[in-house]
Amino acid sequence: EIVMTQSPATLSVSPGERVTLSCRASQGVRTNLAWYQQRPGQAPRLLIYGASTRATGFPARFSGTGSGTEFTLTISSLQSEDFAVYYCLQYNNWPPEYTFGQGTKLEIK
Amino acid sequence: EVQLVESGGGLVQPGESLRLSCAASGFSFSSYNMGWVRQAPGKGLEWVSDINTSGSPIYYADSLKGRFTISRDNVYNSLYLQMNSLRDDDTAVYYCARLSYSSGSYYFDYWGQGTLVAVSS
Repeated sequence: EIVMTQSPATLSVSPGERVTLSCRASQGVRTNLAWYQQRPGQAPRLLIYGASTRATGFPARFSGTGSGTEFTLTISSLQSEDFAVYYCLQYNNWPPEYTFGQGTKLEIK
Repeated sequence: EVQLVESGGGLVQPGESLRLSCAASGFSFSSYNMGWVRQAPGKGLEWVSDINTSGSPIYYADSLKGRFTISRDNVYNSLYLQMNSLRDDDTAVYYCARLSYSSGSYYFDYWGQGTLVAVSS
């Protein structure tokens, strides 16, 4: 089983700041990596897929990079609506065995 | 607009069964693989199962040990999850999610709002 490790678990930041979230895979997953945003009481929303392709509806301040085992999600200037939990997901296995990271919570400083 | 609406959750006792449903609309349901993901209270996301467009192949998380069965009805645009021998640690919000294909692999793109399953005596 591929284990996904996100860091940090919680990040306290101020609006307008730039933040970088990390996701590490226990073995290479190429670019089969997605990021999801989950606001309190809501379902997850696809944010990034293919490690760097932004999903419909998300602005350009969100960007994803990485391949293999190291991935990052960067938010260039935090807005109030960005405070949420972010999960990474690897979908590289065959047969399919999707594994999520434990999440990074962005909270207001 | 893609819509996924789950139903069937509720409070059950350990050992009992429950069947979840997911009604899909706004896209060609029969053209997409579908899946279930769950989230225990205050915890992260856990993949449960997914199913091919035609109903086979099907995949499950190892932790379920044969207690859950996923199925679909392409006539009624619906996805199902039959859950047997429920345990306390099955307590979670269960999300129905659509799978999209890119570069040789599938990922969850659209999610329903979830249905809560609570297992307690």
